[in-house]
Amino acid sequence: GAVVSQHPSWVICKSGTSVKIECRSLDFQATTMFWYRQFPKQSLMLMATSNEGSKATYEQGVEKDKFLINHASLTLSTLTVTSAHPEDSSFYICSAPYAGVPSYEQYFGPGTRLTVT
Amino acid sequence: AQTVTQSQPEMSVQEAETVTLSCTYDTSESDYYLFWYKQPPSRQMILVIRQEAYKQQNATENRFSVNFQKAAKSFSLKISDSQLGDAAMYFCAYRSVGATNKLIFGTGTLLAVQP
Repeated sequence: GAVVSQHPSWVICKSGTSVKIECRSLDFQATTMFWYRQFPKQSLMLMATSNEGSKATYEQGVEKDKFLINHASLTLSTLTVTSAHPEDSSFYICSAPYAGVPSYEQYFGPGTRLTVT
Repeated sequence: AQTVTQSQPEMSVQEAETVTLSCTYDTSESDYYLFWYKQPPSRQMILVIRQEAYKQQNATENRFSVNFQKAAKSFSLKISDSQLGDAAMYFCAYRSVGATNKLIFGTGTLLAVQP
């Protein structure tokens, strides 16, 4: 089946620095990717929809300048957490819908654990 | 706006027994997709089963089956012959038929399997 990768799987950064997380669709093209945030024992919260060739669409309450999303190609989307603070520590997951058949299939990356010290 | 509700934060089942996880949703749409995802301790999201709203027949995947009640907006997951590997967080999700492909998740049910 289709595979979505994320890199890094775990990152620790100091408060005030920026960190970039990559999401790649390995064997299919994804014009759209989704970024989620998940706190321990909680559900996935959709942060934004990444669109290839255009600006990302952010969910209400998500700071656009804080979480920069770039969909550089049909297989790569990046999430940059700028000026990270301890409250940004979380588990970030990306997903990509498969444009082929079945069209309702969506593939998830393994997630990235961000720890801000 | 659509919402998905899972009223059971935690459930427990004995190995080899059957357990049912509940999910209700709210929508004004007539056609949509419903899913159950499993998130084990590794945190990798795994699709368990899907249901197209226009299909009256309940979906089945090996030991996993759903009870889809469209009028009641209910979508429960039954796990038969539970195995230790079934222990995970289970999320019910809704997706509209359309261009966005956006999934709306419930709050999840943590399933423990007792040996």
